[in-house]
Amino acid sequence: NAGVTQTPKFQVLKTGQSMTLQCAQDMNHEYMSWYRQDPGMGLRLIHYSVGAGITDQGEVPNGYNVSRSTTEDFPLRLLSAAPSQTSVYFCASRYRGGTEAFFGQGTRLTVV
Amino acid sequence: QQQVKQSPQSLIVQKGGISIINCAYENTAFDYFPWYQQFPGKGPALLIAIRPDVSEKKEGRFTISFNKSAKQFSLHIMDSQPGDSATYFCAARGGGATNKLIFGTGTLLAVQP
Repeated sequence: NAGVTQTPKFQVLKTGQSMTLQCAQDMNHEYMSWYRQDPGMGLRLIHYSVGAGITDQGEVPNGYNVSRSTTEDFPLRLLSAAPSQTSVYFCASRYRGGTEAFFGQGTRLTVV
Repeated sequence: QQQVKQSPQSLIVQKGGISIINCAYENTAFDYFPWYQQFPGKGPALLIAIRPDVSEKKEGRFTISFNKSAKQFSLHIMDSQPGDSATYFCAARGGGATNKLIFGTGTLLAVQP
């Protein structure tokens, strides 16, 4: 029972590079979400999905893309990395009517 | 636009003391109020949660007090222990089909032995 698995754990990117943060869950949760955590700002919702094939924007979606082709996977794509995207990223999952109870371990991303 | 305001930003408590963290919200459509505990290098973990039709919920040493009329809720940690040292986030869940969470800015708690 792995829960929510995020990869990689650490990443350094150069400005303008692209990359994909991976998130997978094995609990058959309909709802998955991506947050970024910055000092003094708590966790802010980037994108979320209520089921396979359905995604929507959160509070801070600019510069990020998502897709949800399967229930298990919800990757986050940075199209052209910027220093302002330096942050810790968390993926979470839950049942549709619940609240975020399962978070991944996080990806610490630095853009130089 | 911060819809959930959390205070204090940091808190130092002696072992055995009571830790109190406060949150205030604006949107009366919020229908669920969870608290999360986060240790360094880890993801947040759901600690305890309350619905707005309940004024208090207790789980072990952790208690949520909820004041619907004042739109405020707080986390009380009784008999605080050094192992409770972590960052605590309050959150509020919006109503509707998506039930998005809005987080507070976090409180760094240090319990001194």
